[in-house]
Amino acid sequence: SQQGEEDPQALSIQEGENATMNCSYKTSINNLQWYRQNSGRGLVHLILIRSNEREKHSGRLRVTLDTSKKSSSLLITASRAADTASYFCATDAMANSKLTFGKGITLSVRP
Amino acid sequence: DAMVIQNPRYQVTQFGKPVTLSCSQTLNHNVMYWYQQKSSQAPKLLFHYYDKDFNNEADTPDNFQSRRPNTSFCFLDIRSPGLGDAAMYLCATSRDRGTASSYEQYFGPGTRLTVT
Repeated sequence: SQQGEEDPQALSIQEGENATMNCSYKTSINNLQWYRQNSGRGLVHLILIRSNEREKHSGRLRVTLDTSKKSSSLLITASRAADTASYFCATDAMANSKLTFGKGITLSVRP
Repeated sequence: DAMVIQNPRYQVTQFGKPVTLSCSQTLNHNVMYWYQQKSSQAPKLLFHYYDKDFNNEADTPDNFQSRRPNTSFCFLDIRSPGLGDAAMYLCATSRDRGTASSYEQYFGPGTRLTVT
């Protein structure tokens, strides 16, 4: 079964609003990563948070990690139409360093 | 700019006709990955190379093979494509495999494979 599960599956917001996406996973991890994928393109790495970190920021992105709940959230503040994409969380289990991706969240930001 | 390049971007092949997808990188990364991604699904790891060391996923069909002749290039060969192999194929690299933790991966734009 999937290691990472994102929710919601789809999110539609107005430009300027904040977007919050969640990811849950099952096994212990070394780190959790978030990626963005524009339609028909490859994935772009956004941010990596290690298992001993609780929060990380990068520009308009804020990621939190709660290892006790095995969950992470990605917050995009002041969203823009260009943020429209699919967002994936990816985890690497403690047993190996390969990434397992969730099914992704489709974010639509309306101008 | 350092990057991961995939060719072609779109590939159409006939049922059962072998096809090769290519990936090159200018990042000089040790690790190269091949993923299969079907519509609205998660990327699924097929295999990866750590330098010349090939690592196949247990559930990757024998129909899929790979070659890495040098650090920069990696190929995905599909020996007898079926209709179910139609997908986006993504190549990615990372600077190391890591024993304690993974590193960020850099993806190419993907090759969209259509099987007729």
